[in-house]
Amino acid sequence: NAGVTQTPKFQVLKTGQSMTLQCAQDMNHEYMSWYRQDPGMGLRLIHYSVGAGITDQGEVPNGYNVSRSTTEDFPLRLLSAAPSQTSVYFCASSSSRTSGSHEQFFGPGTRLTVL
Amino acid sequence: GENVEQHPSTLSVQEGDSAVIKCTYSDSASNYFPWYKQELGKRPQLIIDIRSNVGEKKDQRIAVTLNKTAKHFSLHITETQPEDSAVYFCAASPGNFGNEKLTFGTGTRLTIIP
Repeated sequence: NAGVTQTPKFQVLKTGQSMTLQCAQDMNHEYMSWYRQDPGMGLRLIHYSVGAGITDQGEVPNGYNVSRSTTEDFPLRLLSAAPSQTSVYFCASSSSRTSGSHEQFFGPGTRLTVL
Repeated sequence: GENVEQHPSTLSVQEGDSAVIKCTYSDSASNYFPWYKQELGKRPQLIIDIRSNVGEKKDQRIAVTLNKTAKHFSLHITETQPEDSAVYFCAASPGNFGNEKLTFGTGTRLTIIP
């Protein structure tokens, strides 16, 4: 299993540009989440999904969109990039509560710089 | 929403000594408390977790304790080794949402001094 994969690893954008960060998992996990990590602030939840077709906002959703058309994929879209969105982005997935496991598995991260 | 506070932000410990990191949470509905370790440039990885129906859990040199009344939980690392040097994050999740809506603390940078 590849686990949770993210592309790209690095990205530089100019203010106002849009882009999509890709996330995929091959563990058949129902739950997927996007976090951003900034120095001194830990990881903050952007959006999450409890299954295909279902998404909800986390702590810092403004400026980001998500969709979940399949169980495997959970892309994060930046609509109009701003310097405040410079961060490291992590995607994570976890199994259903009914299986008893609560562990969230993280992808390798995408380092995004907005100029 | 949930708020998780973590202390200290940095911690230096002599190799072989113990390290303790403490977290407090605000939402009494939270019932799942994981700890993640993140090495420099790497992804966070779960090292231990505890649910609210358990007061303590141990896995070799690592243990977590939970006090639901006081709303705080702690990570204990004994016989520290150089490879324990990393940033550690605590987190909390409300029972209604399971584990997909984690709120993280701001992290503790642990340095083990040889």
